[in-house]
Amino acid sequence: KNQVEQSPQSLIILEGKNCTLQCNYTVSPFSNLRWYKQDTGRGPVSLTIMTFSENTKSNGRYTATLDADTKQSSLHITASQLSDSASYICVVSVVGNEKLTFGTGTRLTIIP
Amino acid sequence: EPEVTQTPSHQVTQMGQEVILRCVPISNHLYFYWYRQILGQKVEFLVSFYNNEISEKSEIFDDQFSVERPDGSNFTLKIRSTKLEDSAMYFCASSGRGGANNEQFFGPGTRLTVL
Repeated sequence: KNQVEQSPQSLIILEGKNCTLQCNYTVSPFSNLRWYKQDTGRGPVSLTIMTFSENTKSNGRYTATLDADTKQSSLHITASQLSDSASYICVVSVVGNEKLTFGTGTRLTIIP
Repeated sequence: EPEVTQTPSHQVTQMGQEVILRCVPISNHLYFYWYRQILGQKVEFLVSFYNNEISEKSEIFDDQFSVERPDGSNFTLKIRSTKLEDSAMYFCASSGRGGANNEQFFGPGTRLTVL
């Protein structure tokens, strides 16, 4: 069964600090991995999409890494801002299939 | 910047009633999706739709659910006889292309409350 696990479940950091969120997946055959940001009560917004051959991708202060051998990904947020407070969701898809499999997310809170 | 819109933002209904959730995808997109998120749980895929047909559906999407593109702009999700467990946020998404590497753009969601 395709599964996506994320850690930690929640994280609180001071504004300006960096943080790293983790994602492990058991999906086969793997096609791509995405990170989404979801503000409370809103729809998910795409941050990065990485295919099998990509091991890092950046979007501003967000940098995602992918290790397809160990089936792990991380999302690193640099110089956090209050507006980064949200849930960050790891999402994986399989080859030939448009269905997205979502993780449970990491709830990130930035405090001043 | 073009975006997916959904109406209503919040729908309250009695158990057993029919509801229709509406979505306006991004105008040049051809691939449409519905997802749901029960409070405190992960987002779950319901159905994908292309060329006026369902291309894929999950086990959640049973006979009580149907989707339709009634005109050139709207994409709807109908729940025929709502149950308490249908209470959730329902997200519509659209994409300009199909396949596993497509980027899906999500709407703000409709919160459905079944009493």
